[in-house]
Amino acid sequence: NAGVTQTPKFRILKIGQSMTLQCAQDMNHNYMYWYRQDPGMGLKLIYYSVGAGITDKGEVPNGYNVSRSTTEDFPLRLELAAPSQTSVYFCASGVPQPQHFGDGTRLSIL
Amino acid sequence: GQNIDQPTEMTATEGAIVQINCTYQTSGFNGLFWYQQHAGEAPTFLSYNVLDGLEEKGRFSSFLSRSKGYSYLLLKELQMKDSASYLCAVRDQGNFNKFYFGSGTKLNVKP
Repeated sequence: NAGVTQTPKFRILKIGQSMTLQCAQDMNHNYMYWYRQDPGMGLKLIYYSVGAGITDKGEVPNGYNVSRSTTEDFPLRLELAAPSQTSVYFCASGVPQPQHFGDGTRLSIL
Repeated sequence: GQNIDQPTEMTATEGAIVQINCTYQTSGFNGLFWYQQHAGEAPTFLSYNVLDGLEEKGRFSSFLSRSKGYSYLLLKELQMKDSASYLCAVRDQGNFNKFYFGSGTKLNVKP
C-alpha cells in the first residue's frame, strides 16, 4: 500500500549545493508531477511527465531538472541551490489528474 | 495563464454547512478539481467537475458554472477533522497535463 514515496522528508542545504529529491510510485501511473508549495500558498508545477522518457516544464522550472527512465521513478534535481528554493516539494501521480501525493520533502537552503 | 481566487480563511461551527468558493479566469479550461490538505500533510483529491452542475460525494459536494468561471465546495455536517486547507485547481485546456492551483482556503471548524 505504498502509493507515492518521497525521500528525504527533510533536508538542509547550503547555497550552491546540489541534491536529488527522489519520488517513486507503485500504481503504474503514467502521469507524474513535481510541485512546490511555499508557506500559505498553493502548489506551483515545476515539471511533469506523461510516461517513461517524456518530461516537460511546468510553471516554475528554472533551477530544476528531471528525468523519467522508468514508470515508477521521477527524481527532481536541484543544481546550485538558492535560498528562493526553500519550500516543501510534493511529488504526485495520477490518471492524469494528480490524485496521489507523496508526503513531501521539506527543503531549506541556508 | 490562469488566475484562481479563493478566500484565505473561513471559520464554521461543528455540525454546520460551509461553502468554499473558487473563481477562475483562464485562457483555457478543462476541468476543476478540489483537494483537501491538513496542516503539514500532502493534499488529497476530493472531487472533479468538468460539466456544469453539482457533484455529490457523501458530505462533500462540488458545483461548477463554466460561464461564470465559478465553483464551490460544500461541506455538510461539519466535523472537527474537516479543519484543513481546501485547494481548487484548474486543468489547462491547451495542455491537459497542466493543473494550476489556487492558494487555498484554510477552514477552521469550532466546537
